[in-house]
Amino acid sequence: NAGVTQTPKFQVLKTGQSMTLQCAQDMNHNSMYWYRQDPGMGLRLIYYSASEGTTDKGEVPNGYNVSRLNKREFSLRLESAAPSQTSVYFCASIRTSSYYGYTFGSGTRLTVV
Amino acid sequence: SQELEQSPQSLIVQEGKNLTINCTSSKTLYGLYWYKQKYGEGLIFLMMLQKGGEEKSHEKITAKLDEKKQQSSLHITASQPSHAGIYLCGADEGGASGSRLTFGEGTQLTVNP
Repeated sequence: NAGVTQTPKFQVLKTGQSMTLQCAQDMNHNSMYWYRQDPGMGLRLIYYSASEGTTDKGEVPNGYNVSRLNKREFSLRLESAAPSQTSVYFCASIRTSSYYGYTFGSGTRLTVV
Repeated sequence: SQELEQSPQSLIVQEGKNLTINCTSSKTLYGLYWYKQKYGEGLIFLMMLQKGGEEKSHEKITAKLDEKKQQSSLHITASQPSHAGIYLCGADEGGASGSRLTFGEGTQLTVNP
């Protein structure tokens, strides 16, 4: 089915470990986004890529890096995980500005111990 | 950046009752999205409003954007247990770096049978 695919769905890391969250969309969308969701704080934008070859910081970029590998794929990297990065991470995409809304992946639940 | 305030934060209703969730912005809204999220899952797009006074309906859910484009409401008629979940409003912040969504904190809806 067409949509946004995130991997992995669950991950437990030790403090200081690194990992990359993968996101891929097959809808030929131009823009892609990474959000984190924490209780009582809604979704906050980490980084986004308006088009292939560009990336920009969102509201909470510290401790993260991103790569827009190609038009389909947008990865989020934690270089040295911290307990404060325990969260649910969502990837999203849109064509440019979408009357039909941003399409979200099913999320990655990350725990840093 | 745009701030969105949702009210109430949580809502418990009896099946069959009507309910309203509000979303208020600190700035003029140029694109207002409503999403629904079930626990542990991704976000599902409900509706998008752009024009002042605009109103859209889907099944038993109606969303409105006020004339001044700073407040939106989501109304559910004759609620059912399937309506339970977290409802989030998101504002589209366009700019030179591309569109991105800023979200409210969400409203947790419980519908008791």
